[in-house]
Amino acid sequence: DTGVSQNPRHKITKRGQNVTFRCDPISEHNRLYWYRQTLGQGPEFLTYFQNEAQLEKSRLLSDRFSAERPKGSFSTLEIQRTEQGDSAMYLCASSFEYGEAFFGQGTRLTVV
Amino acid sequence: GESVGLHLPTLSVQEGDNSIINCAYSNSASDYFIWYKQESGKGPQFIIDIRSNMDKRQGQRVTVLLNKTVKHLSLQIAATQPGDSAVYFCAELLNAGNMLTFGGGTRLMVKP
Repeated sequence: DTGVSQNPRHKITKRGQNVTFRCDPISEHNRLYWYRQTLGQGPEFLTYFQNEAQLEKSRLLSDRFSAERPKGSFSTLEIQRTEQGDSAMYLCASSFEYGEAFFGQGTRLTVV
Repeated sequence: GESVGLHLPTLSVQEGDNSIINCAYSNSASDYFIWYKQESGKGPQFIIDIRSNMDKRQGQRVTVLLNKTVKHLSLQIAATQPGDSAVYFCAELLNAGNMLTFGGGTRLMVKP
């Protein structure tokens, strides 16, 4: 296992389109997190899963954002009706229940 | 690659000198802290962690100090090398929650 993998690395989309990002965590990890990072800022928590259960989603930025982890392995983050303000780096991380989170390389979203 | 943290506080040190990066955390209930290193265009990389029942922890060339009285963390890097140039974030985890909260970050620049 080479770590947390995110796809795509870069995504350019037109305003109003829907986008979906994928995260493959470290296989032994039962927790998976999504963060958003804008320039000059630290990562901002969005949501997390323990196995397939989404245990915290109140920090999702709007109802246009949703995440799934249907089988407790990979996860997807979808943004519907994208806006220019959604342009950011979207980071995924995974961990054991109590332990450090390991991050992927992120997906850079640009909304034009 | 893209720059992370264009307007972050910057610490500039000479190669071979020691570096100290500081972080103030917000919640006295936080019981787990992590330092991450983030290079341009990459996701955050785990460096070292510390739990609240400790006040010091050492790794390879890095030491983290925790002062719970004033809610302050520091990361010390010994014999700083050009490869240490990056943005450094501290993150705190609340026992009651499972959300790593990141600080604003410091850019470390190592002069040869």
